[in-house]
Amino acid sequence: GIQVEQSPPDLILQEGANSTLRCNFSDSVNNLQWFHQNPWGQLINLFYIPSGTKQNGRLSATTVATERYSLLYISSSQTTDSGVYFCAVELRSNYQLIWGAGTKLIIKP
Amino acid sequence: EPEVTQTPSHQVTQMGQEVILRCVPISNHLYFYWYRQILGQKVEFLVSFYNNEISEKSEIFDDQFSVERPDGSNFTLKIRSTKLEDSAMYFCASTSAARGSYEQYFGPGTRLTVT
Repeated sequence: GIQVEQSPPDLILQEGANSTLRCNFSDSVNNLQWFHQNPWGQLINLFYIPSGTKQNGRLSATTVATERYSLLYISSSQTTDSGVYFCAVELRSNYQLIWGAGTKLIIKP
Repeated sequence: EPEVTQTPSHQVTQMGQEVILRCVPISNHLYFYWYRQILGQKVEFLVSFYNNEISEKSEIFDDQFSVERPDGSNFTLKIRSTKLEDSAMYFCASTSAARGSYEQYFGPGTRLTVT
């Protein structure tokens, strides 16, 4: 089956720093989503980005579908950005999302 | 903004008991899902549901699990006889597939603890 790999597994930064999180996938996908899991365990939708680039405030994401990777950029990090960031892909429309193992981000004040 | 809701937020049950986890998907959505996340691990797909029937299920979704849409708004996950290894966060999700968008929207989760 399709493999979804996220890197780095852990990232510790000072407040104000920028970061890039990567998601590689082993097959063509129909859908790709980025999520932030907060300390209470809730999954927050960040981006629905099967291809192209999107921006939302300090966050942006780029998916290069032909090369099977996606990047999540966080600029000017804040302590509230801490948590686990997951990438999830879908092979066909309206079917299961297959998840990466996540990147655990810790932002120190 | 419409959102997926789940109840209860936390459920504690004894091994062997039945539990029902409830979800209210976004009202105009047509596809519904359950996922689970064991503490510290990745999120895993359990089951998808469309047009009042299961469209896809994983190996995890064995005979102990069932799903139902009893009244056109709720979407439930039942575990008939809970085991210790069922302890996890359970997430409900839905999507509309409207205008070519298949984005899945997730509820806040139910934390199930089996003792």
